[in-house]
Amino acid sequence: GAVVSQHPSWVICKSGTSVKIECRSLDFQATTMFWYRQFPKQSLMLMATSNEGSKATYEQGVEKDKFLINHASLTLSTLTVTSAHPEDSSFYICSARDGLAGVGGELFFGEGSRLTVL
Amino acid sequence: GEDVEQSLFLSVREGDSSVINCTYTDSSSTYLYWYKQEPGAGLQLLTYIFSNMDMKQDQRLTVLLNKKDKHLSLRIADTQTGDSAIYFCADDRGSTLGRLYFGRGTQLTVWP
Repeated sequence: GAVVSQHPSWVICKSGTSVKIECRSLDFQATTMFWYRQFPKQSLMLMATSNEGSKATYEQGVEKDKFLINHASLTLSTLTVTSAHPEDSSFYICSARDGLAGVGGELFFGEGSRLTVL
Repeated sequence: GEDVEQSLFLSVREGDSSVINCTYTDSSSTYLYWYKQEPGAGLQLLTYIFSNMDMKQDQRLTVLLNKKDKHLSLRIADTQTGDSAIYFCADDRGSTLGRLYFGRGTQLTVWP
């Protein structure tokens, strides 16, 4: 079945560095992907909608210069956390829907990427 | 308050039924979803219900929707220890693209 893959699964970095997380749809094309952030024992918070070939749409309160999103192809979206700080440590999850599945088609989630900023 | 609310914890004995409840506020929701998250893992879609339905059954899972009260529930029959996980309720607020809005999740613990 359709799978969404994220890489890396976990990453530890020093404060001030930038980290890139990839989200790939493995056997379907996704014109739209979504990035969520999950704090421990908290809900998933939608950060942004990633649109293939155009700018991402960010939710209110999410810094677009901090969380750079690039959706360069129909199967890949990347989230770059720039100048990461400890408060950016979180579990980042992406999701994608098969563009041909229509309304109500299953939304597939990646396995998540755990970022720890020291 | 949050737009999608769930109780945070539920404990049941193996073999019993589990009922996880969720309330939402947006009347434009088209689909409502239940996802399961195991420790350190992503989300797995369990089931979803169209907003003009009031019940959906899928093997051990039964979803009940009271649209008037904006109340959604997930019943797991014959709960097993492997069902222990966090269960998230989500609604789409009428979005056709796939944007979802989640509750905080209910931690289900199943005791042998």
